[in-house]
Amino acid sequence: GEDVEQSLFLSVREGDSSVINCTYTDSSSTYLYWYKQEPGAGLQLLTYIFSNMDMKQDQRLTVLLNKKDKHLSLRIADTQTGDSAIYFCAESTLNRDDKIIFGKGTRLHILP
Amino acid sequence: ETGVTQSPTHLIKTRGQQVTLRCSSQSGHNTVSWYQQALGQGPQFIFQYYREEENGRGNFPPRFSGLQFPNYSSELNVNALELDDSALYLCASSRSSGGAGETQYFGPGTRLLVL
Repeated sequence: GEDVEQSLFLSVREGDSSVINCTYTDSSSTYLYWYKQEPGAGLQLLTYIFSNMDMKQDQRLTVLLNKKDKHLSLRIADTQTGDSAIYFCAESTLNRDDKIIFGKGTRLHILP
Repeated sequence: ETGVTQSPTHLIKTRGQQVTLRCSSQSGHNTVSWYQQALGQGPQFIFQYYREEENGRGNFPPRFSGLQFPNYSSELNVNALELDDSALYLCASSRSSGGAGETQYFGPGTRLLVL
């Protein structure tokens, strides 16, 4: 079946790097995403990576994909207080009605 | 700001009632998807509409139904509300169907509480 797992909480000091990890089960996953959700807000797409890529970097964000282990990570460099939010790992595949399968989200807490 | 709006922002209903939630997509977006996000959970796919027809459905019973209109607006209808239907309902629009990875723009959601 399709499943996405991620740890529920992460605490990081301001200025340090945050690394949020995720594993997924569907080997046919085509796209892998990271979404950010702030309190009371909808989902904001941060970045996504095609399954044939190993890495994608976008300013402070670095996504690493290990397709063999079905492991995805999001690294946020120089974590700021504004990065405090819930981060959702998600995946989709071309053959599955376009639905996106989300993990339960990792709550990132920034320590002063 | 994604250009996707939803109404109402909050809603309280009682068990057995019916509810209609509304979404206004970005102009030019032919596809709208609806998700249910229970407290502490990730969003779960309810269904998708493409050019006014249902184009895929998740594991939700038939009492969850939808409509999509030519003016880029859409509705999610839920009949015979149950307590477990309490959740944040998100709509997401995209330019076309069939493109996993086609960027889906999410609205802020409607928070439904069923008493």
